[in-house]
Order: sequence, then C-alpha cells, then structure tokens
Amino acid sequence: EAGVAQSPRYKIIEKRQSVAFWCNPISGHATLYWYQQILGQGPKLLIQFQNNGVVDDSQLPKDRFSAERLKGVDSTLKIQPAKLEDSAVYLCASRWVGGGTEAFFGQGTRLTVV
Amino acid sequence: QKEVEQNSGPLSVPEGAIASLNCTYSDRVSQSFFWYRQYSGKSPELIMSIYSNGDKEDGRFTAQLNKASQYVSLLIRDSQPSDSATYLCAVLLNYGQNFVFGPGTRLSVLP
Repeated sequence: EAGVAQSPRYKIIEKRQSVAFWCNPISGHATLYWYQQILGQGPKLLIQFQNNGVVDDSQLPKDRFSAERLKGVDSTLKIQPAKLEDSAVYLCASRWVGGGTEAFFGQGTRLTVV
Repeated sequence: QKEVEQNSGPLSVPEGAIASLNCTYSDRVSQSFFWYRQYSGKSPELIMSIYSNGDKEDGRFTAQLNKASQYVSLLIRDSQPSDSATYLCAVLLNYGQNFVFGPGTRLSVLP
C-alpha cells in the first residue's frame, strides 16, 4: 500500500514570495490534515478536510494561507505572501474516516523563508 | 488549558532503564489515543494506539490509559540508544473530529 506522498521535500524562498505544497493521501482515506511543525514543537493542525469539504480551519492564518482538496483526493496548501515565521515543516496526514484509526504521515516539506 | 499536554523534557535515561512518558488531555469524551515517535528530521510514526482503560503491551512498549484522570502514558522497558527521539501524544478530540498532538517529549537514552 502506497503511503502519503508530499512534494517538494525542501523549499527555500524569500519573504513575501509565494509557495505551494502538494499532498496525495493514502487511497481510500477520506480525512486529510495539514500540520505545521516548528522546530522543537509538536505538529499544529492547520486544516482538516473530509473528502473535499473543510471540517476545521480554525488555526489557518487565512490572510496568507489557503488550502484546497479538489475531487476529495489530492490537496494543495499555499502561502502568499510568506513571512519569516512560516519557516517550518509542513506535514500532510491522512486517515480512514471510520472508527478511531491512526493518522499516517507523509515525509513533509521543510520550508525556509529568508 | 491546552488540549493535549506532555512533560516538556528533555528526559534522559541510561541504557536498559525504563523510560516513562506522560500525557494529559482536556476532552472528557475522547476515546482514541496514540503515541508517535519522531526521529530528528523525520515524520511521526505510530508506535501504539490505545482505546480502553488499562494497559496495552507491545514488545518493550506499554501504553497505559486512565480516562477518569484523562491521562495516558507510555513506558519503554530496556531502553536502547535507538529509542532516542521525540515522543508525541495524539488524541482524537471532539467526538473524533480533530486529531490533536501534544508538544512532544524528547527522550535521550545514554549508552
């Protein structure tokens, strides 16, 4: 079974530029999460999708971050314009919707804003 | 109160000792609890899940859950240097809607 795929693995941009991250979840997983993990901290939930609908985006900085999940499969997370404090690892995870099952993570995208 | 809290660490134990990691959560209706291990520069990987009160053992790992006290722990017996990592507690909150992580506890096992 293929895991969660993310790209790119690394990205370096200047502040005020824009960047986009892509995630392909495990086949059949209706729930998709985007987390931001700053060095030394636990993952912070940015947005949660159920199929192509948003379940929770309460911690997404909507003035600069946006996300979509077209057709309930792949998802993209965009930052525009980026700030220095956006430097972090962006993790995508997916879960099967039934029961209390665990979330499976992709390898993450390490973003450095200079 | 934060939704999921853990010992801030870092925690250092000698090789062969028992490492004890603790986690508390705020949502009384939570039913599903998970421990993830994260090596530096890597993604979190699941170690154990626990859903019922009591102990659950898997090799050198034992998860303990006490829903009345809203407390879940992870014991690592015969700790090895390869166990050195950050351990993340995760809880399914809000009737299973939100998968929330604690801040993590960094464990160092000293040879």
